[in-house]
Amino acid sequence: KNQVEQSPQSLIILEGKNCTLQCNYTVSPFSNLRWYKQDTGRGPVSLTIMTFSENTKSNGRYTATLDADTKQSSLHITASQLSDSASYICVVSYYTGGGNKLTFGTGTQLKVEL
Amino acid sequence: DTGVSQNPRHKITKRGQNVTFRCDPISEHNRLYWYRQTLGQGPEFLTYFQNEAQLEKSRLLSDRFSAERPKGSFSTLEIQRTEQGDSAMYLCASSLRAALGANVLTFGAGSRLTVL
Repeated sequence: KNQVEQSPQSLIILEGKNCTLQCNYTVSPFSNLRWYKQDTGRGPVSLTIMTFSENTKSNGRYTATLDADTKQSSLHITASQLSDSASYICVVSYYTGGGNKLTFGTGTQLKVEL
Repeated sequence: DTGVSQNPRHKITKRGQNVTFRCDPISEHNRLYWYRQTLGQGPEFLTYFQNEAQLEKSRLLSDRFSAERPKGSFSTLEIQRTEQGDSAMYLCASSLRAALGANVLTFGAGSRLTVL
């Protein structure tokens, strides 16, 4: 069964600290992996998208890594800010006969405090 | 173009009533998706359109749900005879069809439905 599991489920860190969110997937055949940020009451916003051949991709203070062999990805946030408080959702795209499909993780709820 | 627009942002209705949500995608995007999201969960796929054609519907989309995209631009999602279990955030997303599947979905802010 195609699944995406994220950990931790929730996380509280102090402003200025770094953190790493994890994503493990069993989706196959793999097409690409995306990280989205979702503020409370808003739609998800794309942070990064990585294909099979990409190991790391950065977007400002966000750095995503991908290990396609172990089917793991991480999202590292550097020097966290209060505005980083949100849900971070890992989404894996896989090939099917009818095209590409997406499997969403349940997200990691991050809270950044003073 | 200001991105994907959804309205209403919040709808409160009584059980048994019909509701309709509207989504205006990014103008050059030919694909449009509807998702449902409940608290603490990731979005669940409901259906998607390529232009005006509805290409796939999830088993989550019961007979009470219907989606249309009549002119290949905006889309509506109607829920008939609403039930309390329909309470959720309904997200619309749009994208350009990409040959290798790496199309990035741009989401709207969502329409939150509360069924009393």
